[in-house]
Amino acid sequence: EAQVTQNPRYLITVTGKKLTVTCSQNMNHEYMSWYRQDPGLGLRQIYYSMNVEVTDKGDVPEGYKVSRKEKRNFPLILESPSPNQTSLYFCASSPTQGSPLHFGNGTRLTVT
Amino acid sequence: AQSVAQPEDQVNVAEGNPLTVKCTYSVSGNPYLFWYVQYPNRGLQFLLKYITGDNLVKGSYGFEAEFNKSQTSFHLKKPSALVSDSALYFCAVRDPNDYKLSFGAGTTVTVRA
Repeated sequence: EAQVTQNPRYLITVTGKKLTVTCSQNMNHEYMSWYRQDPGLGLRQIYYSMNVEVTDKGDVPEGYKVSRKEKRNFPLILESPSPNQTSLYFCASSPTQGSPLHFGNGTRLTVT
Repeated sequence: AQSVAQPEDQVNVAEGNPLTVKCTYSVSGNPYLFWYVQYPNRGLQFLLKYITGDNLVKGSYGFEAEFNKSQTSFHLKKPSALVSDSALYFCAVRDPNDYKLSFGAGTTVTVRA
């Protein structure tokens, strides 16, 4: 089944403890992206990647890192999480820039 | 810079009535426009897109959207709403010269039986 898989679905952590949210797609898509969803703000783009080893900042990149060493994987790294990063995170992929995005089921992160 | 506005936080309609969810956009070039739907505890699902061509776009689940360049709008419509259409709807825009995709804040649709 074609899908975008995020792990974990739920994560509770403490301020400053490094964490990684994994994202993997099995559709050989070139484009991958991370979003955070907050009430009243919709989805805001954190980082995106046009292909392997090619990444760029979205609208809210501060406090996040990403890497794209393989085409299928696009992990989101929070080196030192803070409470304002408590949010619902989505990974998405698409074959090309103009194609619709395929979304994962989300990761709900709580930072205390 | 591109942006999207969804002027209504909530839309309430009775089942069987027409449903409209509004979206306006701002982009420097010719836009790529998308509508997505989100059901509780799920990721977003693609409904339809406009890239070029006919201004009326038909999509999944009986939804359609009309691209209006002069009004910079891309309203989502459904002639006869179902209770199962109750969800959160997002409009999104991409400048074809940019890889960024910008989403609106979302509109919660409630269809009452």
